[in-house]
Amino acid sequence: AQKVTQAQTEISVVEKEDVTLDCVYETRDTTYYLFWYKQPPSGELVFLIRRNSFDEQNEISGRYSWNFQKSTSSFNLTITASQVVDSAVYFCALSESGRDDKIIFGKGTRLHILP
Amino acid sequence: ETGVTQTPRHLVMGMTNKKSLKCEQHLGHNAMYWYKQSAKKPLELMFVYNFKEQTENNSVPSRFSPECPNSSHLFLHLHTLQPEDSALYLCASRPGLVPGYEQYFGPGTRLTVT
Repeated sequence: AQKVTQAQTEISVVEKEDVTLDCVYETRDTTYYLFWYKQPPSGELVFLIRRNSFDEQNEISGRYSWNFQKSTSSFNLTITASQVVDSAVYFCALSESGRDDKIIFGKGTRLHILP
Repeated sequence: ETGVTQTPRHLVMGMTNKKSLKCEQHLGHNAMYWYKQSAKKPLELMFVYNFKEQTENNSVPSRFSPECPNSSHLFLHLHTLQPEDSALYLCASRPGLVPGYEQYFGPGTRLTVT
């Protein structure tokens, strides 16, 4: 069965610190897709990144970077030099090949960036 | 308008009322979703429509009734709700049958049942 675990319920860091949000997934498929979304206080989920199971290259986009490790079934998000605007709930999600219409979300990590 | 829109943004209704939530996507997608987000259960998938056909009903009570008249519009009809149905209701869309494509979300409707 597919499952996404975000063990960190809530994290608080001081502005300008780096922070890593953990995501561990479970799937029996060899082809699958992983996602990160950000939900600011306004409520709308904003898509951040998609990664397929065959592409283990880490990626950097601005202050966001992603570390995908199939060996540990993890897809972690790191925010460098955090800013108050990064305060949000971050969701990790998984989609399996063959169930392309369904995305399973983790429970989210609430990130507080303190000024 | 672009993206995914939802109306109303806020709704307060009594337990005996009937109301509807509307979602519209301007992205040319063919799959649409309803999610319920509450403090107790973040992001519960409720319904999935693919090319106007319902492909998922996640054991949702019959007091929630979805309708998808075309690939751009999705409704959630509400009647005789309970206070525990108070939540943020999110609509999302994605291209149908495209492997691994992300969903795009609307801003949500904050529902309060009194």
